[in-house]
Amino acid sequence: DTGVSQDPRHKITKRGQNVTFRCDPISEHNRLYWYRQTLGQGPEFLTYFQNEAQLEKSRLLSDRFSAERPKGSFSTLEIQRTEQGDSAMYLCASSLDPYNEQFFGPGTRLTVL
Amino acid sequence: GEDVEQSLFLSVREGDSSVINCTYTDSSSTYLYWYKQEPGAGLQLLTYIFSNMDMKQDQRLTVLLNKKDKHLSLRIADTQTGDSAIYFCAEQGTNAGKSTFGDGTTLTVKP
Repeated sequence: DTGVSQDPRHKITKRGQNVTFRCDPISEHNRLYWYRQTLGQGPEFLTYFQNEAQLEKSRLLSDRFSAERPKGSFSTLEIQRTEQGDSAMYLCASSLDPYNEQFFGPGTRLTVL
Repeated sequence: GEDVEQSLFLSVREGDSSVINCTYTDSSSTYLYWYKQEPGAGLQLLTYIFSNMDMKQDQRLTVLLNKKDKHLSLRIADTQTGDSAIYFCAEQGTNAGKSTFGDGTTLTVKP
């Protein structure tokens, strides 16, 4: 297993466009988390899944953001009508169970022009 | 809500010990973590401590937890230039859901 992978690694888009990111967790990890990190700050929690169930969403996750984990394996994060303020690194993490450490992927860097 | 605070910068000489401090507000924190992030790289888990422990040692790393003061520290012995990075403190609550991160401490190791 090569760890958590994310695709794409970089995305440049124009304001108003929709973007979708994918995260593949470590196999058999049933917890999957999304975070957002802007320059000079630590990761901020967005949402997490236990298998296919989305258990918690941050207030940061406006109605333009949606995340899915349809089969309890990979997850997608979609941002509709992107804004310049959405520019950030989007990080995915997975853990075997709630009380195991989270392993982070390399992130998807989004730039909204 | 939960909050985690860290000092922003620390500079040490190679071979010295580094101590990075962190305070948190959530008294129900179950796990406390230290992550390392190098430029252009993802977050690497260095070590963690369970809230019922006072200290954990792992090779050059020593974590101290003062639960009464909600204070966590990471000591790196014999700091090397390769230790230069941003170090994040994070806490995870009893619901074992999200982790709350500090804004990171940039450690610079001078030769």
